[in-house]
Amino acid sequence: SQELEQSPQSLIVQEGKNLTINCTSSKTLYGLYWYKQKYGEGLIFLMMLQKGGEEKSHEKITAKLDEKKQQSSLHITASQPSHAGIYLCGAGLNAGGTSYGKLTFGQGTILTVHP
Amino acid sequence: GAVVSQHPSWVICKSGTSVKIECRSLDFQATTMFWYRQFPKQSLMLMATSNEGSKATYEQGVEKDKFLINHASLTLSTLTVTSAHPEDSSFYICSARGQGSGYTFGSGTRLTVV
Repeated sequence: SQELEQSPQSLIVQEGKNLTINCTSSKTLYGLYWYKQKYGEGLIFLMMLQKGGEEKSHEKITAKLDEKKQQSSLHITASQPSHAGIYLCGAGLNAGGTSYGKLTFGQGTILTVHP
Repeated sequence: GAVVSQHPSWVICKSGTSVKIECRSLDFQATTMFWYRQFPKQSLMLMATSNEGSKATYEQGVEKDKFLINHASLTLSTLTVTSAHPEDSSFYICSARGQGSGYTFGSGTRLTVV
């Protein structure tokens, strides 16, 4: 089973609509990263959350990490076609944290935004 | 910000040949580099972690003799796919991390073995 579960796996929305992508683990998340990827390209860093209850926003994207540090959500307000792509959450799952450790990724969410 | 340069961006090779992919940190020293593999419409699967000057640590199921990783300097890591076969065709991405910094990803390399 996947250590990091992302949902939904794919999402199709009309331009202007809000949407939320979730990332859940049964383990404590030591550093939660959100990335965006265009197919066949590298990863674009969006946000990083570390503290339980933390919330960060950049332009129309808001990411939250719950108090227990086992679930994160990525919310896009008033979506635009430029938001389309694959969204990936990645986290350190070891108690040693992500100081030098590896990131484990969720399956990804493919977002399509229709104009 | 931190930049990681990955080359080549795409490569086509014949079965049985070897291919080398380079990953360079341009403006920081990468103490740790990670190599991932990604199949179409799937997530990133970690292949190995390498620390500068030491042997790479491979994930379970990854053949270390097939996927040779070298991290000889603080700015360069290479992944060599030896005796490539069509099933090795995939998208390979490196990630670099410096002291106390986040993860910076390369732009990826699409390998096609014919």
